[in-house]
Amino acid sequence: NAGVIQTPRHKVTGKGQEATLWCEPISGHSAVFWYRQTIVQGLEFLTYFRNQAPIDDSGMPKERFSAQMPNQSHSTLKIQSTQPQDSAVYLCASSLDLGQNTLYFGAGTRLSVL
Amino acid sequence: TQTVSQSDAHVTVFEGDSVELRCNYSYGGSIYLSWYIQHHGHGLQFLLKYYSGNPVVQGVNGFEAEFSKSDSSFHLRKASVHWSDSAVYFCAVSANSGTYQRFGTGTKLQVVP
Repeated sequence: NAGVIQTPRHKVTGKGQEATLWCEPISGHSAVFWYRQTIVQGLEFLTYFRNQAPIDDSGMPKERFSAQMPNQSHSTLKIQSTQPQDSAVYLCASSLDLGQNTLYFGAGTRLSVL
Repeated sequence: TQTVSQSDAHVTVFEGDSVELRCNYSYGGSIYLSWYIQHHGHGLQFLLKYYSGNPVVQGVNGFEAEFSKSDSSFHLRKASVHWSDSAVYFCAVSANSGTYQRFGTGTKLQVVP
């Protein structure tokens, strides 16, 4: 079991460019979560999926951010027209199911927008 | 709305000392409470959780936490810390109905050799 895999580990983009972050959850886990971590805001919930269906995206900035889970083996978080304030560590986590949800986190993708 | 607060941003103790990291929550229904640890440059790792039953729960590496409904607390404790316990510790709360976990702001624990 390789755990939750996030790629790339580091991404540098110029202001206005697009960034796509990838997450491969643990096989057999039905729930996938995205969080954003910054020094100022701490750990912020963005969105989550259950059985590939989007359940709650209340934490996603309404413009420029989108997330998908096209199959059970990966999810993507896309940020269009990146801005310096998007710089953060983006963490993906998966869990067997909701409810008694022990989260297994990936190592994160550090996004730096210049 | 669920909220979780960790009042101490930094805690410094000597190796071998005991430590308690505080977590308070606000939520009216049945909830799950968890603690996670994050070493620098890594994702979060699960330590322990509480839902019901014995209010004292045991976790990995000698950590335990005690749930108190009257105090709305779920403090994490360890009797004798090791330098490798230096990390940031996050408390989290989620509703029983199954939703995402809300995290506290974290407590950075520094263990001095």
